[in-house]
Amino acid sequence: GENVEQHPSTLSVQEGDSAVIKCTYSDSASNYFPWYKQELGKGPQLIIDIRSNVGEKKDQRIAVTLNKTAKHFSLHITETQPEDSAVYFCAASMGGYQKVTFGTGTKLQVIP
Amino acid sequence: NAGVTQTPKFQVLKTGQSMTLQCAQDMNHNSMYWYRQDPGMGLRLIYYSASEGTTDKGEVPNGYNVSRLNKREFSLRLESAAPSQTSVYFCASASQETQYFGPGTRLLVL
Repeated sequence: GENVEQHPSTLSVQEGDSAVIKCTYSDSASNYFPWYKQELGKGPQLIIDIRSNVGEKKDQRIAVTLNKTAKHFSLHITETQPEDSAVYFCAASMGGYQKVTFGTGTKLQVIP
Repeated sequence: NAGVTQTPKFQVLKTGQSMTLQCAQDMNHNSMYWYRQDPGMGLRLIYYSASEGTTDKGEVPNGYNVSRLNKREFSLRLESAAPSQTSVYFCASASQETQYFGPGTRLLVL
């Protein structure tokens, strides 16, 4: 089955700096890669996703890149703000109604 | 729309007791999922239901059973709770790939 590894497990940045979270996946058949943000006491919420036919996608301060050859994808948050503090999960699936495999999460702390 | 709702929010059980975690969604989604979240382990799939009337095992199904009661509701049952089942349980429903999560149920098994 699919295996998703995520690094780092914790990340502290100063407000205004950038944050990068990296993930690798094992199954070359995976073609859909979502990122979820989980705030304290809440369920995860989708913030951005990318499909295997796209190398990069941006949404305001958030961007995701995908390297299919190396089987890794990354989340980039620029100009971080205190409200970005949360746990972020990467995931991989074969799309459609297929199962989603999650990484182990990164706790991001943005220091004011 | 309430989205995905879960009950109860918090539960304490003694070893050997049984309970059912309830989940409902009002988004007319076909797929529903149950995950458990443990520190350092991320989200692990327990069971899922691709459509009404079907259920399949996920990564960690042992000790659990599920029922897809109708399109809206997907329940998770612990027949004989064990301390290893202490966790936060999340239900999710999906439209195509995007999963929408409920607020979670915190379960403590003593």
